[in-house]
Amino acid sequence: GQQVMQIPQYQHVQEGEDFTTYCNSSTTLSNIQWYKQRPGGHPVFLIQLVKSGEVKKQKRLTFQFGEAKKNSSLHITATQTTDVGTYFCAGLANAGGTSYGKLTFGQGTILTVHP
Amino acid sequence: NAGVMQNPRHLVRRRGQEARLRCSPMKGHSHVYWYRQLPEEGLKFMVYLQKENIIDESGMPKERFSAEFPKEGPSILRIQQVVRGDSAAYFCASSPSGHPSNFGPGTRLTVT
Repeated sequence: GQQVMQIPQYQHVQEGEDFTTYCNSSTTLSNIQWYKQRPGGHPVFLIQLVKSGEVKKQKRLTFQFGEAKKNSSLHITATQTTDVGTYFCAGLANAGGTSYGKLTFGQGTILTVHP
Repeated sequence: NAGVMQNPRHLVRRRGQEARLRCSPMKGHSHVYWYRQLPEEGLKFMVYLQKENIIDESGMPKERFSAEFPKEGPSILRIQQVVRGDSAAYFCASSPSGHPSNFGPGTRLTVT
């Protein structure tokens, strides 16, 4: 079945440093979503990428979708303590010509930001 | 506009008891998805339902687990005869179409 691998599993940074997490799928994706989850919280939707090679920005966050639609990355510039949490990618694959919500999540990257 | 509601938020059950987890989708959403999250892991798909229909239950364990989404009322995830391995956070998401993006706060199930 489809697998989504995410690295690194943990990342510790000093406040102000940059952070990147990478996501790789074993199969071509219809789209990819990114979520942030705080400790004890629930996944909060950040963004969805659909097009091959797509790049989207949200303030200090930059999201990329690979040309082959099998990998993606999230980059945070100048991290802040409010960025702490676990960042998940989740891929959506076409199922028999129709796509629906069977997201396959990566294991997540736990980000710690030291002040 | 209330988000996805789940209750209870925390549930403690002894081994062998039944657990019932409820999910009320956002207003106007007729698609519900259930996911399970073990500690320090990503979410694993369990089941996808539309009103009165199970569309995909390929992630559901074959025994003890069932889900429904009746015409009226919330979606229910039912776990019979719980075991310690069922301890996890169970998240529900809803959408108006086939792409979930709104997750509820989750139910944290602890089996003692």
